[in-house]
Amino acid sequence: EAGVAQSPRYKIIEKRQSVAFWCNPISGHATLYWYQQILGQGPKLLIQFQNNGVVDDSQLPKDRFSAERLKGVDSTLKIQPAKLEDSAVYLCASSFNNFYEQYFGPGTRLTVT
Amino acid sequence: SQQGEEDPQALSIQEGENATMNCSYKTSINNLQWYRQNSGRGLVHLILIRSNEREKHSGRLRVTLDTSKKSSSLLITASRAADTASYFCATFIQGAQKLVFGQGTRLTINP
Repeated sequence: EAGVAQSPRYKIIEKRQSVAFWCNPISGHATLYWYQQILGQGPKLLIQFQNNGVVDDSQLPKDRFSAERLKGVDSTLKIQPAKLEDSAVYLCASSFNNFYEQYFGPGTRLTVT
Repeated sequence: SQQGEEDPQALSIQEGENATMNCSYKTSINNLQWYRQNSGRGLVHLILIRSNEREKHSGRLRVTLDTSKKSSSLLITASRAADTASYFCATFIQGAQKLVFGQGTRLTINP
């Protein structure tokens, strides 16, 4: 089966610019996650969707980050405006339901200069 | 503070030896999962152990869970160069209903 798809794979922007990431989960997976992984650390959950509803966004910096999952399938994560500390890999994952193992996409490496 | 903490932070062994990584956590969990991350394949799920299970095997992997001590261990037997990667434990927290990752153990297998 096809895995989780993400684009772009790499992005370099200047601080205060905006950026958007796209994720297509595995077909049939109801739960979709966005994680931020800073170099040398484990992934940190930013937001979790169940179908197209938000389950948890407690660690999403809502003054600059936003995410949506239209029609319960694809999702986009946006940062506006970006800060230097947003440099990280942004991982999208999906699972059949919240209790099961998660399948990760290749990630988008964001560099903010 | 971190929910899951892996120990050691880094481990270097010879090919063919066994590798053991430990994970400690703070709050009650539904399950505990181990993931591997390397540059070639990204983050990959290895094994899930439920809170009512004590031990689980998958190929060369053996995971134990001690809920009374809030700890888990991952054993990789007969290590191979391809096992070189970072290994993360992730705890599914009761109540919060979300997965929280530790900082990981960097494992290097020397030929």
